[in-house]
Amino acid sequence: NAGVTQTPKFQVLKTGQSMTLQCAQDMNHEYMSWYRQDPGMGLRLIHYSVGAGITDQGEVPNGYNVSRSTTEDFPLRLLSAAPSQTSVYFCASSSGSLLGTDTQYFGPGTRLTVL
Amino acid sequence: AQSVTQPDIHITVSEGASLELRCNYSYGATPYLFWYVQSPGQGLQLLLKYFSGDTLVQGIKGFEAEFKRSQSSFNLRKPSVHWSDAAEYFCALWVTGNNRKLIWGLGTSLAVNP
Repeated sequence: NAGVTQTPKFQVLKTGQSMTLQCAQDMNHEYMSWYRQDPGMGLRLIHYSVGAGITDQGEVPNGYNVSRSTTEDFPLRLLSAAPSQTSVYFCASSSGSLLGTDTQYFGPGTRLTVL
Repeated sequence: AQSVTQPDIHITVSEGASLELRCNYSYGATPYLFWYVQSPGQGLQLLLKYFSGDTLVQGIKGFEAEFKRSQSSFNLRKPSVHWSDAAEYFCALWVTGNNRKLIWGLGTSLAVNP
């Protein structure tokens, strides 16, 4: 198993550009989520999905879109990049137990810089 | 409201010394609690988790954590720290229900002196 993979590892964008951060998992996990990590602010949930075709907003969803057309993939789209979106982005997945008794597996992260 | 607090932003210990990282939570239902570790430039890895039963939970890399309901705490401990334990440590609380998700503390950065 590759686990959770994220591409690209690094990206530099100009303000106003759009891009998609890719996330894929091969563990047949139902639950997937995107976080951003900023110094002193810990991990903040952007969007999450409890299964294919179902997504919901986290605490910082503005400026980001997601879709979940397959169980494996959960891409994160930046519609019009802003410097405030400079961050490290992590994708995570788990089997999706309602009680949260399962482990969340994290990807290696994407370091995004918006100029 | 649900929340997780890690009171210590940064801790420095000497190699071989004992370690305790604090975590306090606020949640109206049965808490499901986790500790994750993030090495520099890496993703997060689960150290241990608590759901029910024995309040002392054993994890990987020699870590353990004790759940104390009366104190709303879930502190992480290690008897003897190794230089490789230098990392960022995050405590997290799973919120159940339709909007199920993890609530994260801000993390504690651990430095280990040789």
